[in-house]
Amino acid sequence: QVQLQESGPGVVKPSQTLSLTCTVSGGSISSGGYYWSWIRQHPGKGLEWIGYIYYSGSTDYNPSLKSRVAISVDTSKNQFSLKVSSVTAADTAVYFCARGSMTYDFWGQGTLVTVSP
Amino acid sequence: DIQMTQSPSSLSASVGDRVTITCRASQSISSYLNWYQQKPEKAPKLLISAASNLQSGVPSRFSGTGSGTEFTLTISSLQPEDFATYYCQQSYSSPLTFGGGTTVEIK
Repeated sequence: QVQLQESGPGVVKPSQTLSLTCTVSGGSISSGGYYWSWIRQHPGKGLEWIGYIYYSGSTDYNPSLKSRVAISVDTSKNQFSLKVSSVTAADTAVYFCARGSMTYDFWGQGTLVTVSP
Repeated sequence: DIQMTQSPSSLSASVGDRVTITCRASQSISSYLNWYQQKPEKAPKLLISAASNLQSGVPSRFSGTGSGTEFTLTISSLQPEDFATYYCQQSYSSPLTFGGGTTVEIK
């Protein structure tokens, strides 16, 4: 059974960079066949797709965030990561990592990131 | 971007009721439509993919239909554990987009 776990700071200051890591267990990112995604949910709101990465490093991002977002992969650690630069209060959300590019069958539990001075 | 519109945004129902949730896409997405269930403080759970493909382990009281621009999720007999928020999501094209959610509450 694949499991995903997000980790990273729970508070980030405005204008700084939000950095999160997703650790995958129960399966190897480098075995191929799956993409790995980040999705966020603003407090009390719906879901927003951020982007995804393949083990080869191929990515796709939501155009609404593309200028500020970078997703990377570290196959040696079986992890993939998210960076969002120049954050504002509007980036306060629960961030989920998930398996899949278009359909998400396994999810992390989510981590709340608050942008606050 | 493809806009996904769910209705209703919330509903109240009793255990045993038949519940139907509608999702409309702003353009045709064929059958590239997924349904998720989310309970408070939890990650979404994939219920149905490709409009009608029930995921392993999901009770058969859940079903999905539709193609093109209109889709429905039906719960044939609502159970206590089904009270949650349900989201549709188009998997037709990037950027992937979700509906606004339908919260199913206890009547």
